Amino acid sequence: KNQVEQSPQSLIILEGKNCTLQCNYTVSPFSNLRWYKQDTGRGPVSLTIMTFSENTKSNGRYTATLDADTKQSSLHITASQLSDSASYICVVSARDGGFKTIFGAGTRLFVKA
Amino acid sequence: KAGVTQTPRYLIKTRGQQVTLSCSPISGHRSVSWYQQTPGQGLQFLFEYFSETQRNKGNFPGRFSGRQFSNSRSEMNVSTLELGDSALYLCASSLEAASTDTQYFGPGTRLTVL
Repeated sequence: KNQVEQSPQSLIILEGKNCTLQCNYTVSPFSNLRWYKQDTGRGPVSLTIMTFSENTKSNGRYTATLDADTKQSSLHITASQLSDSASYICVVSARDGGFKTIFGAGTRLFVKA
Repeated sequence: KAGVTQTPRYLIKTRGQQVTLSCSPISGHRSVSWYQQTPGQGLQFLFEYFSETQRNKGNFPGRFSGRQFSNSRSEMNVSTLELGDSALYLCASSLEAASTDTQYFGPGTRLTVL
């Protein structure tokens, strides 16, 4: 069964600290993996897209890694800011005839001053 | 460049009614996708349109339908509304393919079914 699991469900960190969010998937055959940031009441914003051959991709203070062998991805946030408080959603696409898109439930990040 | 716009932003309907939501993609984008987001189920893919044709479809009943016009604008229709259809409906556009290109989301339409 195609699944995307994210951990932790929620996380509280102090401003300026780093954190890492996890995404494990069983989606097959794998096409790409994306990380999105969603502020409350807004649409998601794309952070990174990675295909099978990409191990790391950065977008400012956000760095995503992908291990296609273990089917794991992580999103590392460096020097967190209050504006990083949001939900972070991992999305995996599979090419299976057409395309399937499976969403993780998200990690809710709270950055405190 | 203007972003993805969705209208209306908020909508209240009663069970059994039907509703039409509208999405205008970023200029030049040809792919438009629709998603449903609820607290219980999270984000779920509804369908993708490209060049006025439905290219991909999620696992939703036939009450959910959509279309795309020649200017890439898209509409989504839900007939015979149920309480469980209450959700945030998000539209996203991309240059060519939702599956591989960066997607840009609109602010969503918040639908409440009473």
